[in-house]
Amino acid sequence: DIVMTQSPDSLAVSLGERVTISCKSSQSLLYSSNNNNYLAWYRQKPGQPPKLLIYWASTRKSGVPDRISGSGSGTDFTLTISNLQAEDVAIYYCQQYYSTPDTFGQGTRLEIK
Amino acid sequence: EEQLVESGGDLVQPGGSLKLSCAASGFTFSVSAIHWVRQAPGRGPEWVGRIRTRRNSYTKTYAASVQGRFTISRDDSKNMAYLQMNSLKIEDTAVYYCTRLQYGLDVWGQGTTVTVSS
Repeated sequence: DIVMTQSPDSLAVSLGERVTISCKSSQSLLYSSNNNNYLAWYRQKPGQPPKLLIYWASTRKSGVPDRISGSGSGTDFTLTISNLQAEDVAIYYCQQYYSTPDTFGQGTRLEIK
Repeated sequence: EEQLVESGGDLVQPGGSLKLSCAASGFTFSVSAIHWVRQAPGRGPEWVGRIRTRRNSYTKTYAASVQGRFTISRDDSKNMAYLQMNSLKIEDTAVYYCTRLQYGLDVWGQGTTVTVSS
């Protein structure tokens, strides 16, 4: 199984600041035939299901604000949230869908300082 | 609106069985792979399994933790997916979500709670 490791486990950031969350996979998520990285990012708030933010490592889902972005390739990926808003308080998960079983990172809890 | 709604969660004793349902609306269900993901209290999401489409021979794949105990099925004529859970264990206690795979898991239900306890 592909192991997904996120860092940090939690962080507290001031409103308006920038946040970066790292996600590393135990093997490459880059599919050479289409040059896509099979990596997604989700946000989850209490009592709600995860919500897809980013797919193909860097493609923003429709409706997601452009201050949220994803980057990286192969085994190293980053989620960046600029101009932190109160609504960004949540747990963030990365997930690989390169091969089954799909696996999630352990999550990063984001709070406001 | 694209929507998935789970039902069937309940309190069940260890060793028991339960069947969850997932009703889809607002999108073409028959061309969508459906995944089941669960989340134990205070834990991150755990992938349970998936069923692909008719085009992909309704291929099913399961997590090792549920292989041989859980079965996923679908009825495209009813826009429904199902998760049959047998030989339930205490560690199967979780909120169970059905979700659609498009590019990432882009549509999720609100989940249904399964509690395995004596």
